[in-house]
Amino acid sequence: DAKTTQPNSMESNEEEPVHLPCNHSTISGTDYIHWYRQLPSQGPEYVIHGLTSNVNNRMASLAIAEDRKSSTLILHRATLRDAAVYYCILRLNSGGSNYKLTFGKGTLLTVNP
Amino acid sequence: NAGVTQTPKFQVLKTGQSMTLQCAQDMNHEYMSWYRQDPGMGLRLIHYSVGAGITDQGEVPNGYNVSRSTTEDFPLRLLSAAPSQTSVYFCASSYSAGGDNSPLHFGNGTRLTVT
Repeated sequence: DAKTTQPNSMESNEEEPVHLPCNHSTISGTDYIHWYRQLPSQGPEYVIHGLTSNVNNRMASLAIAEDRKSSTLILHRATLRDAAVYYCILRLNSGGSNYKLTFGKGTLLTVNP
Repeated sequence: NAGVTQTPKFQVLKTGQSMTLQCAQDMNHEYMSWYRQDPGMGLRLIHYSVGAGITDQGEVPNGYNVSRSTTEDFPLRLLSAAPSQTSVYFCASSYSAGGDNSPLHFGNGTRLTVT
């Protein structure tokens, strides 16, 4: 299975942009990059996903490297409510082991007031 | 629209007892799965299902059984609880199992303690 690597923790200040990196050097051409976050005492929630092009939605932006071996989740203006664990996972666009969606330990984001 | 509903929210069991964690979704999702989350371990996949009548093992299936008799429900059974099964359990579903990229929807979790 393709793996992802994320820093264990990052810190940011409120109102500043945050760039959360993810390395996925063994990604294959049909793997989508998904990001989820988990707020304290809650289940994970979907943030964004992409394949090759950069993506924007109301929560965040996803910047994908040209070789697709890394990606960055961008929170444009961090708020205290963005403090969470952020998970980057790969979702294969096919069957078989695609269904075994595995999460790593993610990045714990701390936002300072 | 309730999304993914897990019951109970909290449960305490004695070693050797059995119980079923319930998971229901009302979004007509094809794919459902169970994860456990332990401190410092992230989420680990226990079992998953790609449709009614079809289930398969994830990373940590031992000690757990599942069945999928309907599209809506995916219960997780602990036949003989052990202290090592103390954890927070999350159920997740998505519209399809593969072929597109529908996101996972998670429930709010069941916190299980086995003494």
